[in-house]
Amino acid sequence: AQTVTQSQPEMSVQEAETVTLSCTYDTSESDYYLFWYKQPPSRQMILVIRQEAYKQQNATENRFSVNFQKAAKSFSLKISDSQLGDAAMYFCAHAPIFNSGGSNYKLTFGKGTLLTVNP
Amino acid sequence: GAVVSQHPSRVICKSGTSVKIECRSLDFQATTMFWYRQFPKQSLMLMATSNEGSKATYEQGVEKDKFLINHASLTLSTLTVTSAHPEDSSFYICSAKRGASYEQYFGPGTRLTVT
Repeated sequence: AQTVTQSQPEMSVQEAETVTLSCTYDTSESDYYLFWYKQPPSRQMILVIRQEAYKQQNATENRFSVNFQKAAKSFSLKISDSQLGDAAMYFCAHAPIFNSGGSNYKLTFGKGTLLTVNP
Repeated sequence: GAVVSQHPSRVICKSGTSVKIECRSLDFQATTMFWYRQFPKQSLMLMATSNEGSKATYEQGVEKDKFLINHASLTLSTLTVTSAHPEDSSFYICSAKRGASYEQYFGPGTRLTVT
């Protein structure tokens, strides 16, 4: 079974500054996907960024980037030039890359980090 | 993009009644749909996985006779909360994926309040 741990229940950042959200995970699989999802007050889940475990290069999407350390099973999210619209709950998630054991590629979520952006 | 809708967005029902929540993939065929439950300020908890045309697979601890899931077509899955009680009040979210794609597309959620 997979587990995803987010050790920071809450974080805050000043507008235009940089913040890093932490995530560690545990899995017995060698290939998998990792994700960061954003859930703003509207409660709509939004995919922020994904990383394939077989890729060594860290994923980036505009102001969002990850630091993926496979050996350490660490997957942190860096938000640069923070904006007020970045305020949300952020969830780290894991999914298997193969439909092994009937997993149906189901997501395992961490408990989330509530990010506040101060003007 | 891939759009998933849920209906209703909010529902209030009386204790003992049943309520149905629909999840639709609007512009793609969803071979698999997932149903999650989210308590306030908590993470998403997977309740069940449904594949079109077959019985849903429920996660441990989820009562399949209470939370009936039907995935009758490639664009529609329904979650029926039977004999609802106040403790069933929660935010229910569905997601859908197509084929062997890893990506799940989430619906906007349904807030259920049982009085």
